[in-house]
Amino acid sequence: NAGVMQNPRHLVRRRGQEARLRCSPMKGHSHVYWYRQLPEEGLKFMVYLQKENIIDESGMPKERFSAEFPKEGPSILRIQQVVRGDSAAYFCASQGTGFFSGETQYFGPGTRLLVL
Amino acid sequence: GIQVEQSPPDLILQEGANSTLRCNFSDSVNNLQWFHQNPWGQLINLFYIPSGTKQNGRLSATTVATERYSLLYISSSQTTDSGVYFCAAYNDMRFGAGTRLTVKP
Repeated sequence: NAGVMQNPRHLVRRRGQEARLRCSPMKGHSHVYWYRQLPEEGLKFMVYLQKENIIDESGMPKERFSAEFPKEGPSILRIQQVVRGDSAAYFCASQGTGFFSGETQYFGPGTRLLVL
Repeated sequence: GIQVEQSPPDLILQEGANSTLRCNFSDSVNNLQWFHQNPWGQLINLFYIPSGTKQNGRLSATTVATERYSLLYISSSQTTDSGVYFCAAYNDMRFGAGTRLTVKP
């Protein structure tokens, strides 16, 4: 939906490089979620962040992946030493008042990561 | 965690036909949403519907929380309706595998 920005929209990396994906939530939203969609599969939750805090990272691989949502600036999903299996679409979503509020999440257009 | 199952996995329609997509969930849910992912990969919110019925143009959705299912109705389908429809149960952010809809002119 309009308002949630992700960049880059497409990212090509070679194996072993780092990938940085950015997500700017809708204005006024302080809750961000990251999801991964592997080719021909559904969305899988990765991590839920509030400003300066990681609330739930149960869906995030234990190694090479990290996420942050600083007080100022976009949320960053960082993948170190990328491998071919990291090739996927990464979506972020934002929400105004938090997971348990029941408010809808608004999705960005996604970043398509291709690892060569 | 909660299991979310969608049916059918694939659906091919002729333009103008109606369809019903189903989402079953294994436990009670606090929040349920339907999304449409268009052929370009963009995710669009359709409905936030933990219970009851909502309508938006040619689309409507009904969730019967006590029976643990939700239905998405598409009437007078158009080629622009093509894509994948996901339901998501927000107890623990579980998405169904989606229904891939193809509407032929």
